[in-house]
Amino acid sequence: GQNIDQPTEMTATEGAIVQINCTYQTSGFNGLFWYQQHAGEAPTFLSYNVLDGLEEKGRFSSFLSRSKGYSYLLLKELQMKDSASYLCAVSSTGGGNKLTFGTGTQLKVEL
Amino acid sequence: DADVTQTPRNRITKTGKRIMLECSQTKGHDRMYWYRQDPGLGLRLIYYSFDVKDINKGEISDGYSVSRQAQAKFSLSLESAIPNQTALYFCATSDQGLSPKGTYNEQFFGPGTRLTVL
Repeated sequence: GQNIDQPTEMTATEGAIVQINCTYQTSGFNGLFWYQQHAGEAPTFLSYNVLDGLEEKGRFSSFLSRSKGYSYLLLKELQMKDSASYLCAVSSTGGGNKLTFGTGTQLKVEL
Repeated sequence: DADVTQTPRNRITKTGKRIMLECSQTKGHDRMYWYRQDPGLGLRLIYYSFDVKDINKGEISDGYSVSRQAQAKFSLSLESAIPNQTALYFCATSDQGLSPKGTYNEQFFGPGTRLTVL
């Protein structure tokens, strides 16, 4: 089976940097996704890592260490609109590359 | 126009009723998925389909059935709705190959259907 852990809630200040961690256990790892989901809305794709290292995309970066089963999403220059849930999801080769989602980290950005 | 659409967007029904949620996509993807989302439990996979003739159960398929009417359409049915099926339901699609972003299996989500079973 698969197990994905991420913190339930985090709070950060506008303009600051926040790191959201995700640890996972899976067989046949085939990539890790981060999605953003505002309340009541659909999840939207943020980033994808399949190799170790950092992927940077504007204010958002994501890091992966396959040997440690660990990823983080880094959000810089936080804005109020970044208040949302951030979902970590793992793709594995078993079962046809389905995604298994973590329960999400609810980020609150304060003034 | 949205690439993945779901109907209805909101539905209130009573215990024991049969309900169908519909999903359509214009992305040309072969793979389609149904999830439910509950507070504190995240997104859980109900059923998935890799093409019209290939339908598979997810982790929580009991009490649900699906129909893949065409490549673009994937419906979820609750044969006899019960209150603990009250949830937010999402349909998603993905391609089987590389996306333009170079990712495998990136999923694109519909806007969701909020279902309440009384």
